[in-house]
Amino acid sequence: GDSVTQMEGPVTLSEEAFLTINCTYTATGYPSLFWYVQYPGEGLQLLLKATKADDKGSNKGFEATYRKETTSFHLEKGSVQVSDSAVYFCAHSGGFKTIFGAGTRLFVKA
Amino acid sequence: DVKVTQSSRYLVKRTGEKVFLECVQDMDHENMFWYRQDPGLGLRLIYFSYDVKMKEKGDIPEGYSVSREKKERFSLILESASTNQTSMYLCASSPTGASYEQYFGPGTRLTVT
Repeated sequence: GDSVTQMEGPVTLSEEAFLTINCTYTATGYPSLFWYVQYPGEGLQLLLKATKADDKGSNKGFEATYRKETTSFHLEKGSVQVSDSAVYFCAHSGGFKTIFGAGTRLFVKA
Repeated sequence: DVKVTQSSRYLVKRTGEKVFLECVQDMDHENMFWYRQDPGLGLRLIYFSYDVKMKEKGDIPEGYSVSREKKERFSLILESASTNQTSMYLCASSPTGASYEQYFGPGTRLTVT
């Protein structure tokens, strides 16, 4: 069945370090791909998306590229900040339902 | 900006009580969803609705029901609350369109004692 697998956390980085959170998916057809972020005590919010192969989504210094050949959508940021500490969810959707990964918690130390 | 609001941020109920969680969205979205979020399990879909009075079971509907009488409002009902329903409940909405991105409310943390 359809699924999303993302790297287990927590991930702990120092401020200004490079971030990669891996995400791979299985899906029928060609779904849209998403990264959502959840800050402490809040609901999820859309961070970025890509709707077709080779598209790059980007927002707030984060970016991810839709790789159909490897069924991946890895999240990257060149220089993380303390304020990026949150839980990050990879997801895909081909219609009404969205499939979410289990989430990766990121801690950024000053 | 899309706004999704949930009736309570924190709720404490007793075992056996009937519990109503309300969700309202203000962007005329066709689709609405209820999830529960538990540590280590991610988000699990309870029910969703793609139109007024329409509902579909998600992955874990047992012990829950829903109501959608108006387009902007989607209610989750716990018919007889149990301790294993202690969780964070998240409501979301999405337009029908190219990418189906979802917009989430702040969540309701429900504790059943």
